Amino acid sequence: AQKITQTQPGMFVQEKEAVTLDCTYDTSDQSYGLFWYKQPSSGEMIFLIYQGSYDEQNATEGRYSLNFQKARKSANLVISASQLGDSAMYFCAIAPYGNNRLAFGKGNQVVVIP
Amino acid sequence: ETGVTQSPTHLIKTRGQQVTLRCSSQSGHNTVSWYQQALGQGPQFIFQYYREEENGRGNFPPRFSGLQFPNYSSELNVNALELDDSALYLCASSRPGLGNTGELFFGEGSRLTVL
Repeated sequence: AQKITQTQPGMFVQEKEAVTLDCTYDTSDQSYGLFWYKQPSSGEMIFLIYQGSYDEQNATEGRYSLNFQKARKSANLVISASQLGDSAMYFCAIAPYGNNRLAFGKGNQVVVIP
Repeated sequence: ETGVTQSPTHLIKTRGQQVTLRCSSQSGHNTVSWYQQALGQGPQFIFQYYREEENGRGNFPPRFSGLQFPNYSSELNVNALELDDSALYLCASSRPGLGNTGELFFGEGSRLTVL
């Protein structure tokens, strides 16, 4: 079984500043993947970044980076240089390696202000 | 745009009724997953279809059922609707031979309200 915990309250971020979204997880699987998705008000889930449990380097995708601390079971998302279009819900998710049946957290609300 | 389309976008049903939601997956994607997202929650995995067969199921009762067609499009059927079934239903497709890369392509969802 897998569990994702996202407990931060809604966040207001100044445009062009960086924001860190916390995610802790629990899993009984030895190999697994961690994901972050963005959900704007339209409802569509947009894939942002992936980290495999055996990846030694932290994943980066453009302005998104993942601060993976395996021993602490945390996978925090860092968004650099926030833009107004980054305003959305952000979900952390986990799946056992070899399948993509994701277990999501409850999400973090981010509002970017000019 | 992900190329995954869902219909209808919104619908209202009453308790006890049945509903069918449809999903057209991205071209070439043979795996379709369905998720239920209640208000203020993260999506929950319902089930997954691979080449027209159910390939994994979450903690949902049998009144949630599905189909996948030869063209890889899919349906989610919910019988005997309950108030708690009110949610956004998300469909996601993925490419053949895909491992654990997170490349799920989601549609914009069907928002179901049960009165």
